Amino acid sequence: DAGVIQSPRHEVTEMGQEVTLRCKPISGHDYLFWYRQTMMRGLELLIYFNNNVPIDDSGMPEDRFSAKMPNASFSTLKIQPSEPRDSAVYFCASSFYRGLYGYTFGSGTRLTVV
Amino acid sequence: KQEVTQIPAALSVPEGENLVLNCSFTDSAIYNLQWFRQDPGKGLTSLLLIQSSQREQTSGRLNASLDKSSGRSTLYIAASQPGDSATYLCAVQIQGAQKLVFGQGTRLTINP
Repeated sequence: DAGVIQSPRHEVTEMGQEVTLRCKPISGHDYLFWYRQTMMRGLELLIYFNNNVPIDDSGMPEDRFSAKMPNASFSTLKIQPSEPRDSAVYFCASSFYRGLYGYTFGSGTRLTVV
Repeated sequence: KQEVTQIPAALSVPEGENLVLNCSFTDSAIYNLQWFRQDPGKGLTSLLLIQSSQREQTSGRLNASLDKSSGRSTLYIAASQPGDSATYLCAVQIQGAQKLVFGQGTRLTINP
């Protein structure tokens, strides 16, 4: 398996634009997570899905953020409109059976909003 | 609320030394604990996973221990090498929940 795949690796956008981050989890994993990493706050969970259903979105900072998982092999995190304070590295991770074998993270998307 | 603390925040040692990184957590009701490595500008690489029923795990020069009752885990690195330079993150999975709670990490530098 190629691991968790995220795209794009880097994204630079202007304030107010819509940004879409993409993630392909490991095949067979039933949990998918979106994390955000900043220097100030470290790694924070934004939202996670189980079998494509959102379970906990309490970490989503505000209504400008939305996430979807239309099928078991694809998820998106969308920010609309983007703001400079959204600049961070966004990681997607997946796991199997409640994390029994741990979590696997993607390489992340570095987002810069100017 | 589970909180995870890693001490020290940064560590610099000469090559060849054995070293210990510390992780503490406030709630002992954990499902497992995972150590990750993060290189600058890169993603997280899983190093070791310790289930709540286990005391330690080993992989090559790495050994991680878990003491749930005291809320502590240590990552032991033997015979350190410059290639071990990275940030090491500790994360706990809360019992009954799926999310990982991360520490702030220890930035390790191994000097040749």
